[in-house]
Amino acid sequence: KQEVTQIPAALSVPEGENLVLNCSFTDSAIYNLQWFRQDPGKGLTSLLLIQSSQREQTSGRLNASLDKSSGRSTLYIAASQPGDSATYLCAVEGNQFYFGTGTSLTVIP
Amino acid sequence: NAGVTQTPKFQVLKTGQSMTLQCAQDMNHNSMYWYRQDPGMGLRLIYYSASEGTTDKGEVPNGYNVSRLNKREFSLRLESAAPSQTSVYFCASGTFSYEQYFGPGTRLTVT
Repeated sequence: KQEVTQIPAALSVPEGENLVLNCSFTDSAIYNLQWFRQDPGKGLTSLLLIQSSQREQTSGRLNASLDKSSGRSTLYIAASQPGDSATYLCAVEGNQFYFGTGTSLTVIP
Repeated sequence: NAGVTQTPKFQVLKTGQSMTLQCAQDMNHNSMYWYRQDPGMGLRLIYYSASEGTTDKGEVPNGYNVSRLNKREFSLRLESAAPSQTSVYFCASGTFSYEQYFGPGTRLTVT
């Protein structure tokens, strides 16, 4: 069974700092990996999707990388802002979808 | 374009009662999914439907049934609710190997 782990569980940074969130998975037989954002009491919003054949994807201040062979992905957020405060989840698609438990990010003004 | 909609938003049930959670999408996606989200457990897949007319079990299907009514609608039924089914339920839709889009969720409490 696929296991998806996100470390750290919580992170607090001052505004303007660059930061990296980590996601690891145990089974490299995946079709893609997706990063989501979840605000308190809300649904999930897709941020970036990386196909298994890709190494990275970028959207604005966000950059996600994928190393399938080592079972790792990172989400890089540049010049963090208070509006980035949320929980960030990664999910892998293999025979099913498996989610990590998320990293709760707080950006302090 | 409403995306993925879910009803109801909130529900309180007594143990043993039944209910159906409704989900609809207007993005012409083939695949639809039901998840539950519990503190410290992340999201776990309950059931999914890869296309109209098909459904498959996910990671935690016990105590639930689903119906893919048509391409737009995918419902989740709790026949006899238990306190362990207290959770936030999310419906999602997508196309294989592409992004999933989530609904706003249903907060269910079983007393």
